[in-house]
Amino acid sequence: DAGVTQSPTHLIKTRGQQVTLRCSPKSGHDTVSWYQQALGQGPQFIFQYYEEEERQRGNFPDRFSGHQFPNYSSELNVNALLLGDSALYLCASSPRTGREETQYFGPGTRLLVL
Amino acid sequence: AQTVTQSQPEMSVQEAETVTLSCTYDTSESDYYLFWYKQPPSRQMILVIRQEAYKQQNATENRFSVNFQKAAKSFSLKISDSQLGDAAMYFCAYSPGVTTDSWGKFQFGAGTQVVVTP
Repeated sequence: DAGVTQSPTHLIKTRGQQVTLRCSPKSGHDTVSWYQQALGQGPQFIFQYYEEEERQRGNFPDRFSGHQFPNYSSELNVNALLLGDSALYLCASSPRTGREETQYFGPGTRLLVL
Repeated sequence: AQTVTQSQPEMSVQEAETVTLSCTYDTSESDYYLFWYKQPPSRQMILVIRQEAYKQQNATENRFSVNFQKAAKSFSLKISDSQLGDAAMYFCAYSPGVTTDSWGKFQFGAGTQVVVTP
């Protein structure tokens, strides 16, 4: 049973560029959430996708956008990169049905903005 | 807004001993879930234990157990018989329940680094 997978594992960009990160949820999961984890801090919720729509959003600017595909995989896009966007980006999946609240995390993508 | 506070940046424990990590949270909701996740240097966030707010019984998973004090909004994690493999950053997390508008919007604490010494 494949867990949550993310790609790429590492990425280096320069200020002003755009980046796309990818996530495939755990088998049987239909909901994907994205988090930003700055060094030495806890993860911060960016947004959650279910049924190809953004269902919840945290306090992140519109430069952060996402997409969910019919196969439940998801992308996180960040435009006009800033130095402060350097972080570990975590994807988590969960089943929306029922009362299952647990989110299962992928290994993350480390983004460095120079 | 919900907040999660972990007041211990680092805790040290000897192998085979017990360590307790503290977590407090603030919410006005009655429907919510609490979690402890472990993040080793490999970065993968791993679920340790989960607690439903409507259950009074404290959750237990092998050597890991919680002390859930709903009125005090406290959720501590006890690691018994500590092992070298327990060394990691531990995060306390809060999730609103399905009956709330914020369902799925996890809030994490700042984390507690657990150091295990031989």
